[in-house]
Amino acid sequence: ETGVTQSPTHLIKTRGQQVTLRCSSQSGHNTVSWYQQALGQGPQFIFQYYREEENGRGNFPPRFSGLQFPNYSSELNVNALELDDSALYLCASSLAGGVTGELFFGEGSRLTVL
Amino acid sequence: EDQVTQSPEALRLQEGESSSLNCSYTVSGLRGLFWYRQDPGKGPEFLFTLYSAGEEKEKERLKATLTKKESFLHITAPKPEDSATYLCAVFGGTSGSRLTFGEGTQLTVNP
Repeated sequence: ETGVTQSPTHLIKTRGQQVTLRCSSQSGHNTVSWYQQALGQGPQFIFQYYREEENGRGNFPPRFSGLQFPNYSSELNVNALELDDSALYLCASSLAGGVTGELFFGEGSRLTVL
Repeated sequence: EDQVTQSPEALRLQEGESSSLNCSYTVSGLRGLFWYRQDPGKGPEFLFTLYSAGEEKEKERLKATLTKKESFLHITAPKPEDSATYLCAVFGGTSGSRLTFGEGTQLTVNP
């Protein structure tokens, strides 16, 4: 069974730049969620995608956007990067719009904004 | 708004010294409570789902229990490889599709 894979694993950007993070969901899973985890904190929900549409959003500004593709993979885009965007970005996959709440996480993409 | 508070923030144990981690929660219509294990620089690894008060689940040295206000993760005779951050999360009736996480308990088990 193929697990959740994310790329890149680490990246460094400067303030004001844009970044795209990618995620391939676990085999058979049609729902992808993105979470932001700052150092020493628990993950914070950014948004979820189900059937290529946004299916819930947390308290993040519009410069955080996403896509889901027909093969259920997903992208997280962040524009106009700020220093506080430095964090571990986690992708999680699940079944059927996440109705059970059970999520399976990837290893994350560590973003550093200088 | 759903809220999760975990305690203690950090716990240091000797190998074989059993203890418990606490997760207190406030949620409207609990649909599930989850425990995850997270190693440094890695994504959370799913451990347990609990759905109703009184439910218990076990896996190796770990046992999770649930009441109407809190959950406990009991660790029996821990080993150094149990060292990790343990995260608790709730899935509530008004939270849509999101999990609300606590800030975690960082567990260190010394040999």
